[in-house]
Amino acid sequence: GAVVSQHPSRVICKSGTSVKIECRSLDFQATTMFWYRQFPKQSLMLMATSNEGSKATYEQGVEKDKFLINHASLTLSTLTVTSAHPEDSSFYICSAPGLPGVNEQFFGPGTRLTVL
Amino acid sequence: KQEVTQIPAALSVPEGENLVLNCSFTDSAIYNLQWFRQDPGKGLTSLLLIQSSQREQTSGRLNASLDKSSGRSTLYIAASQPGDSATYLCAVLDGTYKYIFGTGTRLKVLA
Repeated sequence: GAVVSQHPSRVICKSGTSVKIECRSLDFQATTMFWYRQFPKQSLMLMATSNEGSKATYEQGVEKDKFLINHASLTLSTLTVTSAHPEDSSFYICSAPGLPGVNEQFFGPGTRLTVL
Repeated sequence: KQEVTQIPAALSVPEGENLVLNCSFTDSAIYNLQWFRQDPGKGLTSLLLIQSSQREQTSGRLNASLDKSSGRSTLYIAASQPGDSATYLCAVLDGTYKYIFGTGTRLKVLA
């Protein structure tokens, strides 16, 4: 199956700094990627849809100025958490759709963000 | 708005038992339903994917069924093992091509 990677897998930062998380589709192109957030002992919540060549669309309640998304190419989307605070500590996972018509998405391994 | 619920929230069973995890969704307009396993602190492992036109999928000791009209799916695990202990998540790919995840079932299989 298709492979999606994320980098870094784990990051610890100080409050007030910005953190960039990368999501790459390794063996296929993805014009759309999705970003999810998972707080401890909770399920995954969709944050935003990343669109190659256009602006990302954000789910209700997600601050677009805080969570900057850039879909730089057909294989790369980045999520930047700006001015991170401890409440932003979470597990961030991205996904990308596979072949058109197959209706399957492939998930990255996730990035654990800890803000001190 | 699509909502996905999983019952039970937590389950503890002795090794060897057959068990059923339930997933329900409110909007039947879905492309597919997928079951995942998540170990503590880890990402998602895809277990079974059921397309909207399918009724069930099987892989080893796992069997998942889908009744789209009633908004329900079940994951059946046969002869459970301690290694099956994890959180199981179901997710539906909704009409806007977004995955909506369920609340999860935390499974513990006791040796």
